Amino acid sequence: KAGVTQTPRYLIKTRGQQVTLSCSPISGHRSVSWYQQTPGQGLQFLFEYFSETQRNKGNFPGRFSGRQFSNSRSEMNVSTLELGDSALYLCASSFDATNEQFFGPGTRLTVL
Amino acid sequence: GQNIDQPTEMTATEGAIVQINCTYQTSGFNGLFWYQQHAGEAPTFLSYNVLDGLEEKGRFSSFLSRSKGYSYLLLKELQMKDSASYLCAVRETGGFKTIFGAGTRLFVKA
Repeated sequence: KAGVTQTPRYLIKTRGQQVTLSCSPISGHRSVSWYQQTPGQGLQFLFEYFSETQRNKGNFPGRFSGRQFSNSRSEMNVSTLELGDSALYLCASSFDATNEQFFGPGTRLTVL
Repeated sequence: GQNIDQPTEMTATEGAIVQINCTYQTSGFNGLFWYQQHAGEAPTFLSYNVLDGLEEKGRFSSFLSRSKGYSYLLLKELQMKDSASYLCAVRETGGFKTIFGAGTRLFVKA
């Protein structure tokens, strides 16, 4: 079956702009988590969604938000972009929160 | 607080055995995962431990001691393709949040 897909794969934005990233989980998976990965910090947890509900949120400012649709697809939005937001954003899906996660290829965001 | 520690880098020789350690302090515990991540690629699942002891899967084994907040990943018969980052991750109680360590970059040399 198809894996986790993320769009777009690459994105270049300038400071102050906003961006929306999309994630389609594996069919049947209802849990979607988002992570930010940078060379110095590793994977940092952003938030987790299950059946359209955000169940947990990491320590990121309110500029980072997300949502999940009824078909389990998820989007995350970053407003008022800062240079430090440049990172690889990974989405991971799982059947439920206790199972292993399957990661998408990520969206590499560059903020100039 | 929440903290997961693993060595930054390790080097080993093809055909050898390497052990990557992970210690953790998290808000509750609901399982420990190991993932492999090759450069430029997404992490892929290797193993899962929720009870104390050793889980073996082919050339890879993972050990957990909950009382010590300690895990290790053991890679046997190392191959060049095992050169990658290995991420230790802890699922917190409730299961809705997974905390990742910074990863251990493993270099396998001939």
